[in-house]
Amino acid sequence: EIVMTQSPATLSVSPGERATLSCRASQSVDSNLAWYQQKPGQAPRLLVYGASTRATGIPARFSGSGSGTEFTLTISSLQSEDFAIYYCQQYDDWPPLTFGGGTKVEIK
Amino acid sequence: QVQLQESGPGLVKPSQTLSLTCTVSGGSISSADYYWTWIRQPPGKGLEWIGNIYYSGSTYYNPSLKSRVIMSVDMSKNEFSLRLTSVTAADTAVYYCSRVSMIQRYNWFDPWGQGTLVTVSS
Repeated sequence: EIVMTQSPATLSVSPGERATLSCRASQSVDSNLAWYQQKPGQAPRLLVYGASTRATGIPARFSGSGSGTEFTLTISSLQSEDFAIYYCQQYDDWPPLTFGGGTKVEIK
Repeated sequence: QVQLQESGPGLVKPSQTLSLTCTVSGGSISSADYYWTWIRQPPGKGLEWIGNIYYSGSTYYNPSLKSRVIMSVDMSKNEFSLRLTSVTAADTAVYYCSRVSMIQRYNWFDPWGQGTLVTVSS
C-alpha cells in the first residue's frame, strides 16, 4: 500500500498571502496524484489531477506541482473561501486508492 | 452533469450490517467509462477508500475492509449499493459515493455525493 503523508497538519495564513501545502508518497506515484478541498459539512471537491491539471471551474490561484514522491499545492493569494482542509490522493498503484491525512488551512 | 445522492439508515447497531444506496442522476450507471465508488470519513478524521464497482458487477475493495464489504449495482434503478457487515463503533463515519474513471491512471474521484452520516451504536 502507498502511504501518503501531508504536511503541515495545520497551516495558519493571512488572507491575501500564499499557502504552500506538501504531500509525500511512500514510493513513486509518477504524476498520478489528485488534490481535493473540503469545507466544513461538505463533501470534498476535486481541485487538481495529474499533479498539476486544474479541474473544471477551479480558479487559477490554485496550482499543483511535483512528480515521483514529492508534491505541492500552492494557493497564490488566499481568499476567505479557501480556508478549508486539503487532501492529496494517489492513483498510481491500487487497490487501495489512498489519501493523505489532510492539511487544514486556517486564518492567521 | 452527473449527481450522486446517498441514502440509508443513520443508525446501525453493533454487529449488524450497514446498508447504503447511491442514486445516480444526470448520467447512466451502465457507462463503460466509470467505476462507482464508496469512500468514508470518520468524524474529525481523514478519508478512506472503501471500494469500486463497475456496471458489470466487477469490484475492487480496500484490503482492510474486503472481508466485510459487498457492493452491488442495480442498473434498472440507476443506483449502486454498499453493505458492510459486522459493524463496530469504528465504522461510524460519513459515507460518500463518487465516480472514478475506469481508465488506468485516471482514477481520481469526481463528482461526490453530499455524504450521509452513519452511527454505529446500540
